[in-house]
Parts: sequence; structure tokens; C-alpha cells
Amino acid sequence: KNEVEQSPQNLTAQEGEFITINCSYSVGISALHWLQQHPGGGIVSLFMLSSGKKKHGRLIATINIQEKHSSLHITASHPRDSAVYICAVSSGDMRFGAGTRLTVKP
Amino acid sequence: KAGVTQTPRYLIKTRGQQVTLSCSPISGHRSVSWYQQTPGQGLQFLFEYFSETQRNKGNFPGRFSGRQFSNSRSEMNVSTLELGDSALYLCASSLESGGLLGTQYFGPGTRLLVL
Repeated sequence: KNEVEQSPQNLTAQEGEFITINCSYSVGISALHWLQQHPGGGIVSLFMLSSGKKKHGRLIATINIQEKHSSLHITASHPRDSAVYICAVSSGDMRFGAGTRLTVKP
Repeated sequence: KAGVTQTPRYLIKTRGQQVTLSCSPISGHRSVSWYQQTPGQGLQFLFEYFSETQRNKGNFPGRFSGRQFSNSRSEMNVSTLELGDSALYLCASSLESGGLLGTQYFGPGTRLLVL
């Protein structure tokens, strides 16, 4: 079993829908990162969390340390949100989930 | 400020050769991390350097090594290349002294193909 599990693996949504991507981890962590990777490989860091909730534009990330779970929400999704979203946890090293491939259709 | 730069962007090598990849962090960032991304294994952490010292290391064989210079630029080296080393190699820099505990700024990557 992977130490960082993401669900779903693939997600197709219509433009405007509310999207949730989940991440569960089984190791102790100091921080959790949400990353976005577009086709071509470029990775952008969306959030770095150690507790609570963060919001940036239409994106919201939450973390529950006790339950070892984090969620990434996208409100009013748009085709430009189509990308792979990767959850990563850091504690001495960095461990990654397998990613969630999101496709938003117009 | 310029972003993280990596050179070269593409590289083709043959089995048994060695390769050196370079990463220049964002100005002022002292933490540099390296990652390998393959279709089968996804993203994996290689190592992290801060102020010329390796602070953290992933689970890779000794053929993978790195170093950081006094200007924070970093290099990673892979010796005795194997077909399975074909991958996208990414580096990231962080402003925070906590390195992996801070926001990671990724470079565009070096795509290595081993024939």
C-alpha cells in the first residue's frame, strides 16, 4: 500500500462544477503539498499546508492532521484547470501520491 | 526574478555512460531538491541540499549523487546509466530554510533518455 493515496485517479467534470480531490497518508508529516502538473511536465506548487485550510482564488485546500487526510477543492471549474494534481507529504524526505488527472470539459 | 532553470533540457545517453544535470535556483533560495519522474513510478524524491550540505536523501542507489555550490547552484550525477534511468529529472528550490517544509518552486526539468 502506498504511503500517500489519492482519489480519484481520473476525474472528468463539466465546466462550472465543484471538484474535490482527496489525499490520505499513512506516515507522520511536517507539511503537505498540493502540486499541479500540466502536459509538458511543468509543475506548480498550489499549496503548502501544515494545518487548517488555505484559499487561493477558486482553489481551497484543507488538511485534517488527526485523520491524516487532505482535500483540494476547485470551485467553478474551468477547462484551463485540466491538469494532473499531485499530493505530496514532507517529513525528512518527500513522498508523492500517484496524481489525479482532471479533465474539465467546456 | 528568474525562475528555476535546468540544463540541459533534453539528453540522450547510452547504457553505461554517466550524466551530469544542472539546476540554478531562484536568486536567494538556498534549498535545492531533486526529483525523478517516470510513468511507472511517478514522482520520487532524490535528495535535498541546503548551504552546500545534503540534508535529506531518498531511496536511490549510490549511482545517483549530487552536490551544491556556494552560489546555491546544484548538480546531480548519475553514473553507469541503466535503461530504467530514463525519466524527467526535476529540481526545485525553496526560500525557506526548512527546505522541503517550504513552498517548492520547480524547474522545467531535464528529460533523459537512455538507449
